[in-house]
Amino acid sequence: AQKITQTQPGMFVQEKEAVTLDCTYDTSDQSYGLFWYKQPSSGEMIFLIYQGSYDEQNATEGRYSLNFQKARKSANLVISASQLGDSAMYFCAMREGWRSSRLSGGSNYKLTFGKGTLLTVNP
Amino acid sequence: ETGVTQTPRHLVMGMTNKKSLKCEQHLGHNAMYWYKQSAKKPLELMFVYNFKEQTENNSVPSRFSPECPNSSHLFLHLHTLQPEDSALYLCASSQDLMNLGDTQYFGPGTRLTVL
Repeated sequence: AQKITQTQPGMFVQEKEAVTLDCTYDTSDQSYGLFWYKQPSSGEMIFLIYQGSYDEQNATEGRYSLNFQKARKSANLVISASQLGDSAMYFCAMREGWRSSRLSGGSNYKLTFGKGTLLTVNP
Repeated sequence: ETGVTQTPRHLVMGMTNKKSLKCEQHLGHNAMYWYKQSAKKPLELMFVYNFKEQTENNSVPSRFSPECPNSSHLFLHLHTLQPEDSALYLCASSQDLMNLGDTQYFGPGTRLTVL
């Protein structure tokens, strides 16, 4: 089963409008971290925002906010006032706590990424 | 230079060649990572180094050989690659990989094509 699911392969938004990019995750851990990255066509992965599983407030960072709904295991990224420069691939990623990592035989160093959503901002 | 840099940005090599990818981080971080990004597949972690010591090898074939001489530099030595190894190779660094909220910062990547 996928640990990170991004159901929107592509999204379109008009400049200056808000857009929500969906992300759902799967973990049995109580302690985990959720990240969003942006990847323009140049290739670099740019960190946008982080949400810890125990954070009571939704994370915000400038025009980016994370709509964290723990019971639904969703961590949607909201971009307000879209700009042309926001056109890029957006990846949701999760880092699990030690418990899940040990049970799966892995480590908790790994960021598990979704397949991404390609956002196009139209003028 | 700031952030994480990678050279070369583009590399074309034959299956019998030997080449190396270089990554350098200017952030004072302690951990460095190699990721592989193939078309239409999620990012795959390859190797992790913490304080120059390798802490993870994610079942990577031996034709990929990492080297971390210090906490600021990371290399990926390539030999006898296959066409399916063509991908974007991303390097990342982070401050403290034991911290769940530890953020990884990525370089621009090396676009590798194996002929």
